[in-house]
Amino acid sequence: GAVVSQHPSRVICKSGTSVKIECRSLDFQATTMFWYRQFPKQSLMLMATSNEGSKATYEQGVEKDKFLINHASLTLSTLTVTSAHPEDSSFYICSARGADWTSGLGDEQFFGPGTRLTVL
Amino acid sequence: EDQVTQSPEALRLQEGESSSLNCSYTVSGLRGLFWYRQDPGKGPEFLFTLYSAGEEKEKERLKATLTKKESFLHITAPKPEDSATYLCAVREGDTGFQKLVFGTGTRLLVSP
Repeated sequence: GAVVSQHPSRVICKSGTSVKIECRSLDFQATTMFWYRQFPKQSLMLMATSNEGSKATYEQGVEKDKFLINHASLTLSTLTVTSAHPEDSSFYICSARGADWTSGLGDEQFFGPGTRLTVL
Repeated sequence: EDQVTQSPEALRLQEGESSSLNCSYTVSGLRGLFWYRQDPGKGPEFLFTLYSAGEEKEKERLKATLTKKESFLHITAPKPEDSATYLCAVREGDTGFQKLVFGTGTRLLVSP
């Protein structure tokens, strides 16, 4: 249990285009999902927190108009990088926090496999 | 703001050579300390959650312990497949939105 998937795993795009990354909790419902960014040999930096059906809460310094987050259902959140530029190239990772207490899942965050974005 | 510091930054062990990784933290009220394992190019894999000083948890060759100021991840008789980056995180925030603050990790390399 507690599997989180991300799609795509790798994407290369031209500067100025928009890229959408999907994050799905496959076997549990996630009321809260998180989006992180990770640079090489650095730790995870939280970008935003989203609850199903409400607006995302962005961390300081993260442009909400550039990184659009939609948490449309209890199993799906999307991150859209709008008008991507080379400096947006990074490893983007989502996580989901379980809401299904009956399954024994606590409040740990379970992470997806990540999406490597390269902007040319 | 809560801070998490991990040491050492990198650790090289021979297979079978036991050691410990350290995670020290400053937080006004601990609401959980988490250990994750991350392989290159992949997302973190959950290992343990610790909530109170004195708590210990084990999984195969790994054992996590917690004091009021730090946590240790003990690796007993490691194998090459234990090679990874180990991340520590503390949870901050009141009920509702609770986010994790991560340390920079310890890169572990176990040689056969």
